[in-house]
Amino acid sequence: DVQLVESGGGLVQPGGSLRLSCAASGFSFSRYWMSWVRQAPGKGLEWVANIKPDGSETFYVDSLKGRFTISRDNAKNSLYLQMTSLRAEDTAVYYCARGVRIFGVVFFEYWGQGTRVSVSS
Amino acid sequence: DIVLTQSPGTLSLSPGERATLSCRASQSISNNYLVWYQQRPGQAPRLLIYGASSRATGIPDRFSGSGSGADFTLTISRLEAEDFAVYYCQQYGSSPETFGQGTKVEIK
Repeated sequence: DVQLVESGGGLVQPGGSLRLSCAASGFSFSRYWMSWVRQAPGKGLEWVANIKPDGSETFYVDSLKGRFTISRDNAKNSLYLQMTSLRAEDTAVYYCARGVRIFGVVFFEYWGQGTRVSVSS
Repeated sequence: DIVLTQSPGTLSLSPGERATLSCRASQSISNNYLVWYQQRPGQAPRLLIYGASSRATGIPDRFSGSGSGADFTLTISRLEAEDFAVYYCQQYGSSPETFGQGTKVEIK
């Protein structure tokens, strides 16, 4: 079975940094696009970033470019999201997802249970 | 960016009834590249439908998707207790990936 387990969330002060991790199992991790999607409290879903199977290309929602970095380690079956200059509006549950990419755009086939990030002083 | 508008915001129905959820796009979606997700309280989203009308693996046949262009529908033929949840549409026809704001299906 496909399993995606996020970790690394927590409480961080505005301006701080946090690194999220996602441990993948049950499939050939290095063959799939991977993504981060977030959900602010009581709100809808927002796509954050995608990364190509070999890690050579990354894509971000415009509003987050320059502050967040998606990366992966295929040897460790792991996906990461480095978040810097965090703001209150980054408070959300962050989901790791396995993507299906069609002509450059992705939908999300499997999701982890999410890790909660709270940005507050 | 393509804006997806879901309606209604909340649907109040009884178990056994039919649910019809709408997702309208601000422009036509290439190749009808639209998916539907279900999110139960406290859980991660789950893929239901891709390509506007194809059921994902393990999804019961009471869930069906239809539509084309800019107008799409998710139908649940007979609501069961576990179907009361929030449903989101998402388009993957053009970058960036965008979601609708969700429709909550609640027990009447």
